[in-house]
Amino acid sequence: GAVVSQHPSWVICKSGTSVKIECRSLDFQATTMFWYRQFPKQSLMLMATSNEGSKATYEQGVEKDKFLINHASLTLSTLTVTSAHPEDSSFYICSATPGHQNTDTQYFGPGTRLTVL
Amino acid sequence: AQSVTQLGSHVSVSEGALVLLRCNYSSSVPPYLFWYVQYPNQGLQLLLKYTSAATLVKGINGFEAEFKKSETSFHLTKPSAHMSDAAEYFCAVSDLDNFGNEKLTFGTGTRLTIIP
Repeated sequence: GAVVSQHPSWVICKSGTSVKIECRSLDFQATTMFWYRQFPKQSLMLMATSNEGSKATYEQGVEKDKFLINHASLTLSTLTVTSAHPEDSSFYICSATPGHQNTDTQYFGPGTRLTVL
Repeated sequence: AQSVTQLGSHVSVSEGALVLLRCNYSSSVPPYLFWYVQYPNQGLQLLLKYTSAATLVKGINGFEAEFKKSETSFHLTKPSAHMSDAAEYFCAVSDLDNFGNEKLTFGTGTRLTIIP
């Protein structure tokens, strides 16, 4: 089956620093990748959608200058949390899909737990 | 806008008993519906999906769900619970955004506990 990896699996950083999270599709080319965040005991909330080679589309209320997304290749997307603050602490999950049809399954990564001190 | 409501944030069943996790959706167009499972500290795994074909959808690990348009429901069931079924379950509905990208809207999740 399709596998999506994330790195790192967890990260602790100081307030004000930036953190980069990688999302890779290991055995397929991902035309579209999605970034979600999940607060404790809550559901996943879509942050942004990225298509390879184009700018990401951010959901309402998500600061694009704070959460920088780069989808430079068909197998890699990165999320950079800039000037992180404690309220950015969350579980960040990416997913990838190989096609554009809305019946295409999204394959999810294992998530990255970010803790900002 | 699409939305999903999962009734019951926690469900406990005895091992071997029927599992029923409820999901109701709101959609202005025929929806595509999904059930995902999340084990602790892991990402989401697709259990099954409904894409306007058969209304009874069979998934992995013995789970199935039935799409009922009249009730706007897509409840998840399994005849006999196993200890390994203990996890968080999310119902989701998909839609296309203005750029043709599939967007998933998730319910708040139901934590399933299996009692030995």
